[in-house]
Amino acid sequence: QVQLQQWGAGLLKPSETLSLTCAVYGGSFSGFYWSWIRQTPGRGLEWIGEINHSGSVNYNPSLKSRVTISVDTSKNQFSLKVDSVTAADTAVYYCATRIVVVDTGWFDPWGQGTRVTVSS
Amino acid sequence: SYVLTQPPSVSVAPGKTARIACGGNNIGTKSVHWYQQKSGQAPVLVIYHDSDRPSGVPERFSGSNSGNSATLTINRVEAGDEADYYCQVWDGSNDLPFGGGTKLTVL
Repeated sequence: QVQLQQWGAGLLKPSETLSLTCAVYGGSFSGFYWSWIRQTPGRGLEWIGEINHSGSVNYNPSLKSRVTISVDTSKNQFSLKVDSVTAADTAVYYCATRIVVVDTGWFDPWGQGTRVTVSS
Repeated sequence: SYVLTQPPSVSVAPGKTARIACGGNNIGTKSVHWYQQKSGQAPVLVIYHDSDRPSGVPERFSGSNSGNSATLTINRVEAGDEADYYCQVWDGSNDLPFGGGTKLTVL
């Protein structure tokens, strides 16, 4: 049974870099895509991007220019960086496992979430 | 981008049936997944592939998908089902959009 635990800085100033890490416990690290999703009251749930164990990445086109997702297979961890944050990046950020099937995929399970606030 | 539309809220009495819709252009040609999010918690998968239930999800939860609308149905609603529910698809290219969410209130 896969479990995810995430951590990272919760308070940032505008123009700083958001950095979060998610550790995967209790299951295979290969065979899935490892995703980041954020949630705000205004935009709801928004998929940010994902990576697999071999480093293949997919990004939401609306965020692609500022987002980097990386993987450390030796630690069964993956990470998110968002450059040049603004108040609009204030959200609860989740890591999640994406089960991939041809032409679809769903998220199960999710990490506990990290609230990130961007404020001067 | 592919847009999923959900009603903001649905109210139902205990023991009755709740139906939560998720609209999208030809959504019946896509595979729809549903999540339950209780207050202060992370979302949890309750239906995948339109109508499949993960282990541990009660049989009261079911899903269907046809035409321009998918539906999450919760039979014999309980107080513990009160939560926000979100639908999600793969848009066929490079995005995994979610619906705006529906708040289920148990009266």
